Amino acid sequence: DGGITQSPKYLFRKEGQNVTLSCEQNLNHDAMYWYRQDPGQGLRLIYYSQIVNDFQKGDIAEGYSVSREKKESFPLTVTSAQKNPTAFYLCASSWGLDPQETQYFGPGTRLLVL
Amino acid sequence: QKEVEQDPGPLSVPEGAIVSLNCTYSNSAFQYFMWYRQYSRKGPELLMYTYSSGNKEDGRFTAQVDKSSKYISLFIRDSQPSDSATYLCAMSGDSGAGSYQLTFGKGTKLSVIP
Repeated sequence: DGGITQSPKYLFRKEGQNVTLSCEQNLNHDAMYWYRQDPGQGLRLIYYSQIVNDFQKGDIAEGYSVSREKKESFPLTVTSAQKNPTAFYLCASSWGLDPQETQYFGPGTRLLVL
Repeated sequence: QKEVEQDPGPLSVPEGAIVSLNCTYSNSAFQYFMWYRQYSRKGPELLMYTYSSGNKEDGRFTAQVDKSSKYISLFIRDSQPSDSATYLCAMSGDSGAGSYQLTFGKGTKLSVIP
């Protein structure tokens, strides 16, 4: 089955700790995205990548980092600089950045701070 | 004023009712309009997609865009308990305008009561 997988489903972070969220897609999509979803707020874009080894900051990139070493993988690291990391994190992919290209979402990772 | 406004609800209707979900926006550059459905603790999935003004129908779902009023709607006919979910509107500018990012509404939580 083609799709997007995210792991883990739940992740706990201690103060001062960096944690990495995994996102893998087998749809052969070029573009990948990371969003953050908080209760009562819409999805907000953290980072996006159009091709391998290239990525751009979204609206709320501070405290986050990404890499795109392989087409199918786009991991997100939540650094200790992110002071309010508790949220639902969603990874998405699409054929390209053009707005008519549908974005397909993964099942999400819920990050909680201990 | 936020770019996209969406009433978060919750909205509760009896099975078989017609549901109307709405978003307003302020950015006149938006050309692409989407509705996503998100079940609890899952990633969003694209439900309807419309370019510019007009109506689009798919089964029990109808999407309407009124660019003159900056107002979009999603209608669900003969609503079913399986329609219970959060519905997110999203929109984007034309790729020629250099704006690839989707701007999401906060989502409306819908419950269809059997």
